[in-house]
Amino acid sequence: EAGVTQSPTHLIKTRGQQVTLRCSPISGHTSVYWYQQALGLGLQFLLWYDEGEERNRGNFPPRFSGRQFPNYSSELNVNALELEDSALYLCASSREGLRGRTEAFFGQGTRLTVV
Amino acid sequence: AQSVTQPDIHITVSEGASLELRCNYSYGATPYLFWYVQSPGQGLQLLLKYFSGDTLVQGIKGFEAEFKRSQSSFNLRKPSVHWSDAAEYFCAVLYTGNQFYFGTGTSLTVIP
Repeated sequence: EAGVTQSPTHLIKTRGQQVTLRCSPISGHTSVYWYQQALGLGLQFLLWYDEGEERNRGNFPPRFSGRQFPNYSSELNVNALELEDSALYLCASSREGLRGRTEAFFGQGTRLTVV
Repeated sequence: AQSVTQPDIHITVSEGASLELRCNYSYGATPYLFWYVQSPGQGLQLLLKYFSGDTLVQGIKGFEAEFKRSQSSFNLRKPSVHWSDAAEYFCAVLYTGNQFYFGTGTSLTVIP
């Protein structure tokens, strides 16, 4: 069974540009989470999608957005990139479990560098 | 509001010594609890999880954790640390119908 896959693995962008990161969840998983992990910082929650709907978003500006497609894959878009957006972006997926018992499975992340 | 606290940002232990990483959560209901490990530049790997039942849970790589409801804690332990255990460790909680909440992580350094 394939795990959570993220693409691209690395990319370099210039300040002010826009970027799209992609995540494919494990087959059968309907929830996708996005996290930002800047150097030396913990996991900062960005977005949570479930069944195609945005369920919650973290304390990030509106230039961070995303969506979830009917096949449950997801995109994270970041507009007007700033230097401090340089980070590892992690995607995780989970399935609906009996009595809510589930776990999050993580991808390897996308390393974004803004110059 | 739900939150997860990992009080120790960085811990250094000698190889072969015992290890305990602390995790506290806040909320009235009993959550589902997890510990994840992250090697440098990698995603997170699940070490262990607690849903219900025996409050002492065993995980991979020789780790265990104990859920203590009275202390709202879920501390991770290992009796003898190996150099390969050096990594970042994250505690997480999940409330039914809600999202995962992660702590800020504890960085573990293992010295020879």
